Amino acid sequence: EVQLLQSGGGFIQPGGSLTLSCAASGFTFSGYAMSWVRQAPGKGLEWVCYIRGGGAHPTCADSVKGRFTISRDNSKNTLYLQMNSLRAEDTALYFCAKSESGYGNDAFDIWGQGTMVTVSS
Amino acid sequence: DIVMTQSPDSLAVSLGERATINCRSSQTVLSSFNNKNYLTWYQQKPGQPPKLLIYWASTRGSGVPDRFSGSASGTDFTLTISSLQTEDVAVYYCQQYYELPWTFGQGTKVEIK
Repeated sequence: EVQLLQSGGGFIQPGGSLTLSCAASGFTFSGYAMSWVRQAPGKGLEWVCYIRGGGAHPTCADSVKGRFTISRDNSKNTLYLQMNSLRAEDTALYFCAKSESGYGNDAFDIWGQGTMVTVSS
Repeated sequence: DIVMTQSPDSLAVSLGERATINCRSSQTVLSSFNNKNYLTWYQQKPGQPPKLLIYWASTRGSGVPDRFSGSASGTDFTLTISSLQTEDVAVYYCQQYYELPWTFGQGTKVEIK
């Protein structure tokens, strides 16, 4: 079964750091681009970062650029999101999502279950 | 950035009736390379991650019932549920993957009248 299992997240003070993980199974992880998408409480979806299947071209939205870093370890079938200098506006449910190709200009066909990040003093 | 605007924000439809959701992109998402619209639709039910419904504007995802269909006309896109079922109550999002940053519409909430 194709599956993305997320871990990490939690409650963190402003300015703090957190790392999210997304463990993939049921498909050849290195062959597919991956993204992080977030959803603030009661709000819509916002794309955060993406990385190609081989690990090239990590790219993040302007709202998190310079603070968040996306990476992947294809030997461990795991995607990461390193979040630094967290702000209250980063509070959201974070999803990892698989693209339909290694390049990334595709729909997200598989999503993780989501992990909540709450930034508050 | 490409802005995706959905309408309406919410709609209530009787069981078995048609539901239509619109999405407009602020610029083209049609590739001249492959003549495909880089537009997808997702369904999100409460407490669940989004689920892929339609990609390339009109191709149904795996296992998606054929009452769901997508269409395109220029920068206007439509998701149609031909006969609304109870399990279709959800929020629906369009998204463009034509260029970064990939952007979503604000969502349309579908309820039973």
